Amino acid sequence: ILNVEQSPQSLHVQEGDSTNFTCSFPSSNFYALHWYRWETAKSPEALFVMTLNGDEKKKGRISATLNTKEGYSYLYIKGSQPEDSATYLCAFRTGANNLFFGTGTRLTVIP
Amino acid sequence: EAEVAQSPRYKITEKSQAVAFWCDPISGHATLYWYRQILGQGPELLVQFQDESVVDDSQLPKDRFSAERLKGVDSTLKIQPAELGDSAMYLCASSRAAGGRQNEQFFGPGTRLTVL
Repeated sequence: ILNVEQSPQSLHVQEGDSTNFTCSFPSSNFYALHWYRWETAKSPEALFVMTLNGDEKKKGRISATLNTKEGYSYLYIKGSQPEDSATYLCAFRTGANNLFFGTGTRLTVIP
Repeated sequence: EAEVAQSPRYKITEKSQAVAFWCDPISGHATLYWYRQILGQGPELLVQFQDESVVDDSQLPKDRFSAERLKGVDSTLKIQPAELGDSAMYLCASSRAAGGRQNEQFFGPGTRLTVL
């Protein structure tokens, strides 16, 4: 079992604020890093798959960066909206196909 | 858009009873996964299938859990007998194949199990 940590555990922000979370993972045996968004009562939704050190990916107001040498990834949300309220999970993948998940960051955006 | 289907969405059972969960992956996806998420933790892999074959069940408590994917399509996860500590969300996911850096797993909505 690999140690993947996410911080903070939970976060409340006002609508319109920008925010970011951290995912820390082992810096050895890196294969890929996945970000998922999981809204209550829905399926976890894939946001990004990041594979190269220095990767930056963007989808609308959400973006992510990757540093494999130091073992962390940041997820940024610009101008948070109530519909962004969800749990954001990161998952670390070694050469095998297994995903090792963090415990998630629970975001609440207050209108 | 194709989705992974799971049923039931919620299950309440008493300790020592048997429970079963069903998963129908996205059509054409050869690899199927069952994960368990205990409250406050991240999802953990229980079992991975490639077509009808188990390729990883190292974290599956085999004394009480079993999983099958007989025709390499849908899958059933069974717990017998259920224990209090089995209360969790059980997630099913599928992917086109194992491996590949960009290979994504697509998740179903999960089955929330409560054992009383």
